[in-house]
Order: sequence, then C-alpha cells, then structure tokens
Amino acid sequence: AQTVTQSQPEMSVQEAETVTLSCTYDTSESDYYLFWYKQPPSRQMILVIRQEAYKQQNATENRFSVNFQKAAKSFSLKISDSQLGDAAMYFCAYREYGNKLVFGAGTILRVKS
Amino acid sequence: DTAVSQTPKYLVTQMGNDKSIKCEQNLGHDTMYWYKQDSKKFLKIMFSYNNKELIINETVPNRFSPKSPDKAHLNLHINSLELGDSAVYFCASSQDLVRVGDVSLVYGYTFGSGTRLTVV
Repeated sequence: AQTVTQSQPEMSVQEAETVTLSCTYDTSESDYYLFWYKQPPSRQMILVIRQEAYKQQNATENRFSVNFQKAAKSFSLKISDSQLGDAAMYFCAYREYGNKLVFGAGTILRVKS
Repeated sequence: DTAVSQTPKYLVTQMGNDKSIKCEQNLGHDTMYWYKQDSKKFLKIMFSYNNKELIINETVPNRFSPKSPDKAHLNLHINSLELGDSAVYFCASSQDLVRVGDVSLVYGYTFGSGTRLTVV
C-alpha cells in the first residue's frame, strides 16, 4: 500500500520569510499525482498545489512551489514571503489513477509576526 | 454557490443514538467520498461511491452505512453511536479519472466543510 510521510509535526516561520515543508512517499508506480492541501482553523480542506509525476517541471502557484524529486520519492512544499494567513495544517497527499487519495499525517505551520 | 455542502456542521449526540450526515455536490463529479479525521488530525478514507455504486469500503464498523440516492448525494448513517466515533467527517468529490494514451488525468478532491461529531 502506498504511504505518505511528513516528518515535521510542526514548523515555524517569520512573516515574509520562506519555509519548506517536507514529504516523502512510497510507491512502485510510475504514473501518479501528488498534492498539498491546507487546513486552516476553519477546518476547510483547501487544495494548494498539484504535481503530475510524469512532469519534470516543478509546479508553482503564486507564492507556493514544490520541489519534486521522483527518484528520491520526495515532494516538498516551499512557501515564499510567508503571511499570517498561511498558518494552518498542511497535508501532503498521493493519488494514482483509479484509486483513493492517501494523506500524510500533516505539518502544523505557525507564522510569527 | 457551495460546491460540496455537508449538513450539519456540528452534531452532539448521546451514545447509542443513530444519526445521519448529508452531503451534496453541484460540481457534476462522478465520485464521492467520506473521510474521517481523528483527534490527531489524521485523515482516513471510509467509503467511495462512483455513480451511486460503492467502490471503496475500508475497514469500517458496519454501524456506518453510506447511501447514495444519486451521483450528487452521498449520505452517511451511523447506528448505535460510540464515544470513539467522535471525529470530523469530511465529504469530498472528484471528477472521474481519465486516461489519455499512456497518461492519466488525475485530480484532487473538492472537500465539504466537515461535520464535527461529538458523542457524549
């Protein structure tokens, strides 16, 4: 079974600085997708960014970007120019064609002003 | 215009009661899901329906019964509630996965806002 590991239970960043959240996954498949979801205190699950495994180019969405290392099975999220509104729980997730979304345990991100 | 809506948002009930959580999506998605988020925030799939047909049924007590009257609705009924059922339950939907040649098109889920169930 596929597993997703987030080794950082909690991270802190100063406002306006950059932070990187780590994620590794285990799979024997070559065709899959990876996601980062944000869950603020409102508990709404918000899709932040998506990466296709067949693409070598790292996905970017405004201040959010990923570092996708397929061989290492690593998928980290970089948040630039951190804002107070970025404070949330962040989940890394994995999905294959025809299968369910599997989540990591999450990383709590605290943003200090 | 809410894409995936769940009701109620909060539910407090006594042990032994039976309760239902409703979910509706207006995105035209073919697949709907129920996830449980426990007190440690871990998210685990419970059920998945595709066009009203059950396709994923994880190891969940049979006190939990999903029902999908049509592809836009997936309700969760829970019998004989126990203290350990206290959690946040999320409904989600996704578009059918499409494979074009050797490449699949896989999308994330759109989640509802969750139902916090507290059993006392």
